[in-house]
Amino acid sequence: SYELTQPPSVSVSPGQTARITCSGDALPKQNAYWYQQKPGQAPMVVIYKDNERPSGIPERFSGSSSGRTVTLTISGVQAEDEADYYCQSADSSGTYRVFGGGTKLTVL
Amino acid sequence: EVQLVESGGGLVQPGGSLRLSCAASGFTFSNYEMNWVRQAPGKGLEWVSYISSTGITIYYADSVKGRFTISRDNAKNSLYLQLNSLRAEDTAIYYCARVSVDGYNLWGQGTLVTVSS
Repeated sequence: SYELTQPPSVSVSPGQTARITCSGDALPKQNAYWYQQKPGQAPMVVIYKDNERPSGIPERFSGSSSGRTVTLTISGVQAEDEADYYCQSADSSGTYRVFGGGTKLTVL
Repeated sequence: EVQLVESGGGLVQPGGSLRLSCAASGFTFSNYEMNWVRQAPGKGLEWVSYISSTGITIYYADSVKGRFTISRDNAKNSLYLQLNSLRAEDTAIYYCARVSVDGYNLWGQGTLVTVSS
């Protein structure tokens, strides 16, 4: 089955830049999405189609893509950004949706 | 108010069945593709199933194929997930999620399914 690979954890100090990667064989062909989930809450999309930001999401959130890897970048991290982040995409056929294992972002 | 509200979760024995519902309001439900996504306690998100806006196209994760059935009733603005032959590993919060150009842009609050004897 198709898998997306994320680092389990990333830690940064307030004001620094956090980068969370997601790797998968079909990423050159399929769009990637990033979701933020805080404890006890449903996930919320923060980046769609690799690098688009939904309305209402702060400009410090950005996305990029290079080959088999997509990256979520949070510039000037704030304490409120501490959360779990999941990438999501589909296999090469577009049939199976998949989430990465998730990355816990800790703001030191 | 634009929202999704899941219901139908609960405690069920291994091998048992449940039917989850997702009630949509505040938007034209029939225009949107929908998904079920689950999250086991303390674990990550797992995609479960997809249904097109008309209900014609349906996909399942391998982990639930043959046991779960997704359906929708656009006249009732509702999405369903029939869970059969439940296993302990199916224990999770089940979310319904609306698909749009900007991803899964609307989620319900989730309903907890616990499979245990």
